[in-house]
Amino acid sequence: EAQVTQNPRYLITVTGKKLTVTCSQNMNHEYMSWYRQDPGLGLRQIYYSMNVEVTDKGDVPEGYKVSRKEKRNFPLILESPSPNQTSLYFCASTTSGRETQYFGPGTRLLVL
Amino acid sequence: QKEVEQDPGPLSVPEGAIVSLNCTYSNSAFQYFMWYRQYSRKGPELLMYTYSSGNKEDGRFTAQVDKSSKYISLFIRDSQPSDSATYLCAMKDTGAGGTSYGKLTFGQGTILTVHP
Repeated sequence: EAQVTQNPRYLITVTGKKLTVTCSQNMNHEYMSWYRQDPGLGLRQIYYSMNVEVTDKGDVPEGYKVSRKEKRNFPLILESPSPNQTSLYFCASTTSGRETQYFGPGTRLLVL
Repeated sequence: QKEVEQDPGPLSVPEGAIVSLNCTYSNSAFQYFMWYRQYSRKGPELLMYTYSSGNKEDGRFTAQVDKSSKYISLFIRDSQPSDSATYLCAMKDTGAGGTSYGKLTFGQGTILTVHP
């Protein structure tokens, strides 16, 4: 089954404790991205990657890092999480010629 | 001003009603227009996709794009309780270097409830 998976689905952590949210897709897509969803703000792009070792900032990259060492994986790293990063995070992927993006199930993060 | 504006609702309608969801935008470079549906505790799923201006119909759903007015709409006919979800409009341009990878810009989402 073609899908985007994210782990963990739910996470509670404390300020300053580094964490990684994993994202993996099995569709051989070149393009992957991370979004955060907040009430009243919709989904906003954090980072995206057009292929292995090619990443760039989206609209709200502050406080986040990403890496793309393999085509299928695109982890999101919060090196020193803060409460304002409490949000619902989505990973998405697509490929050339497809105008849509396929979303993962989301990771709900609470930073205390 | 946000690039894409969408009335967050919430919108509550009786089963069988016609629902109209709308977004306005300011970026004239947007060429691709999408509607996503997001059920509670799920990721967004593509519902409709339209390139440039025009109408597109798929079953009970019709998407309209009016680029001259920078206005897009989604109509749901004969609405069902299973249509209860958050509906997000999304748009993108052609992306850097003419590729189609340009990022999606979303509206805030409209929460729709269809009650029996």
